[in-house]
Amino acid sequence: QLQLRESGPGLVKPSETLSLTCTVSGGSISSSNYYWGWIRQPPGKGLEWIGSIFYSGATFYNPSLKNRATISVDTSKTQFSLKVNSVTAADTAVYYCARRGAHGYNPFDYWGQGTLVTVSS
Amino acid sequence: DIQMTQSPSTLSASVGDRVTITCRASQTISTWLAWYQRKPGKAPNLLIHRASTLEGGVPSRFSGSGSGTEFTLTITSLQPDDFATYYCQQYNSFPWTFGQGTKVEIK
Repeated sequence: QLQLRESGPGLVKPSETLSLTCTVSGGSISSSNYYWGWIRQPPGKGLEWIGSIFYSGATFYNPSLKNRATISVDTSKTQFSLKVNSVTAADTAVYYCARRGAHGYNPFDYWGQGTLVTVSS
Repeated sequence: DIQMTQSPSTLSASVGDRVTITCRASQTISTWLAWYQRKPGKAPNLLIHRASTLEGGVPSRFSGSGSGTEFTLTITSLQPDDFATYYCQQYNSFPWTFGQGTKVEIK
């Protein structure tokens, strides 16, 4: 059974960089059939897709993050990572990693449990 | 961006009740709509894709319908395990967007 698990600091200071890692187990991150992505939910707000990455390193992002997000992949460690720079309190959220199919129209079929990141001094 | 509007935001119901959640898209998305269930501290679970196709292992009391801009998720006989928050998501157009969620509470 595929499992995804987010990890990283739960507290980040304003203006600094938020860094999270998603570890994938029970399946290959190097498959050409899937994209791996990040989604977040600020307190009291809806879910927001941040961006996704292919095993080759090709990425695409939600323009709402205004180029502050960077996603990378390490296939040798079956991990992919998220960095968000210049964070503010508005970046406080539960962050999820998730998988979606790469060919055609696909939903997110596997998710991690999520990790809360608080931006505060 | 396509805006997804769910209603109601909160729903109080009893075990055995029939429950319907509505999701409206700000522009047509054909049937490229998914429904997810989320429980506190757990990974969101994909229930339905393509508006009406049940994922494997999802109980048949869940069903989805709709196309274009209006969609519904129905639970025919609410069970204790179904008290959770439900989200719709469109994957017709980039960027993928979600509804605000509907929390199903015990009445």
